[in-house]
Amino acid sequence: QKEVEQDPGPLSVPEGAIVSLNCTYSNSAFQYFMWYRQYSRKGPELLMYTYSSGNKEDGRFTAQVDKSSKYISLFIRDSQPSDSATYLCAMSVAGGTSYGKLTFGQGTILTVHP
Amino acid sequence: DAGITQSPRHKVTETGTPVTLRCHQTENHRYMYWYRQDPGHGLRLIHYSYGVKDTDKGEVSDGYSVSRSKTEDFLLTLESATSSQTSVYFCAIMTGTGADTQYFGPGTRLTVL
Repeated sequence: QKEVEQDPGPLSVPEGAIVSLNCTYSNSAFQYFMWYRQYSRKGPELLMYTYSSGNKEDGRFTAQVDKSSKYISLFIRDSQPSDSATYLCAMSVAGGTSYGKLTFGQGTILTVHP
Repeated sequence: DAGITQSPRHKVTETGTPVTLRCHQTENHRYMYWYRQDPGHGLRLIHYSYGVKDTDKGEVSDGYSVSRSKTEDFLLTLESATSSQTSVYFCAIMTGTGADTQYFGPGTRLTVL
């Protein structure tokens, strides 16, 4: 079993829909949680990050972390065709000898059609 | 791309040949990483560096070596390329401005025939 599981999709939604992307994990030591967006043939770009549990909002994007359930989510409101990309969750153990190493989910392919 | 360049951007090589990929950063960040990305696997860490001449193995290090003789350059070498090393390779840096957030280069697409 992988440390981080992410439904690869693909996920196809109409423009304006609310999108929910999710990851589950097994390592209770994870403290930092990130979402990356990757357009085709490009490098991943950081979208949002959160520390420990709770919610974080940035424009149309909301990241949620539920450490008790080992479950993280990314919500996209009013989705746009420009949101079509692969979304990757990533997480890490904070501090110590972790050296910032990230563990990634497999990525979810999202298509928003007009 | 947070001042990260990778070279070459594309390479086709034959099985058994050595290959070196270069990652260059312009901002003197201490931590650098090499990942490979394959369908169904997301990004997997190959090697990482926490300073000049300080490197360590990641999750999928077999068949790869790295070197870092200068802060700005992190080299990934495939000593004898195999078809299973056909992949897209990404370099990343950790800027230390928040959490363990990393910023990625544009990638190198490697095909081993």
